[in-house]
Amino acid sequence: AQSVTQLGSHVSVSEGALVLLRCNYSSSVPPYLFWYVQYPNQGLQLLLKYTTGATLVKGINGFEAEFKKSETSFHLTKPSAHMSDAAEYFCAVSPRGQKVTFGIGTKLQVIP
Amino acid sequence: DAGVIQSPRHEVTEMGQEVTLRCKPISGHDYLFWYRQTMMRGLELLIYFNNNVPIDDSGMPEDRFSAKMPNASFSTLKIQPSEPRDSAVYFCASSLGGGGVAGELFFGEGSRLTVL
Repeated sequence: AQSVTQLGSHVSVSEGALVLLRCNYSSSVPPYLFWYVQYPNQGLQLLLKYTTGATLVKGINGFEAEFKKSETSFHLTKPSAHMSDAAEYFCAVSPRGQKVTFGIGTKLQVIP
Repeated sequence: DAGVIQSPRHEVTEMGQEVTLRCKPISGHDYLFWYRQTMMRGLELLIYFNNNVPIDDSGMPEDRFSAKMPNASFSTLKIQPSEPRDSAVYFCASSLGGGGVAGELFFGEGSRLTVL
């Protein structure tokens, strides 16, 4: 069985500061890994995904994440936070060919 | 292009009533998923379909919940009878296969259900 742990249900950063949202996973087989973002009153949309190949993955809106197998981590980063980044972020794992499991989510607050 | 369309966006009902949530997936997608989102449990997969056939309904909480997909462009999630603990946001998502269920999921805007 697979699982996802997101450290910190709420994260606050100042505008312009580094954004770091943490995600650790467990999977019995090499996983596919995802980050989704949810804006208020909307559905989730894909930010980025790792399937195979390069372990540093770039996504939309300046976000990126690095797959670290030795640490079983897939942390999401952005060098400089914008007010528009305020949303809830979900890490998700899918052992190849199996269903997607989502983390509990991290709400990002950006302080002016 | 139209995304995943869900209706109703908001539903308020009384305990014991039947609730039907509807979903139109993106044309051409062969997987459809129903998720439930609550503060306490996060995002839970209830059931998913592949080519209109239910594949895994292990997440359906109990017999009061049922889901159907009569054709490739329509699915329903029904709760009968509804209870206050069913209050949540229900999301429908669809995806294009080619690798099983690991593809990108496209979510609708959700149906917010309140059971009084």
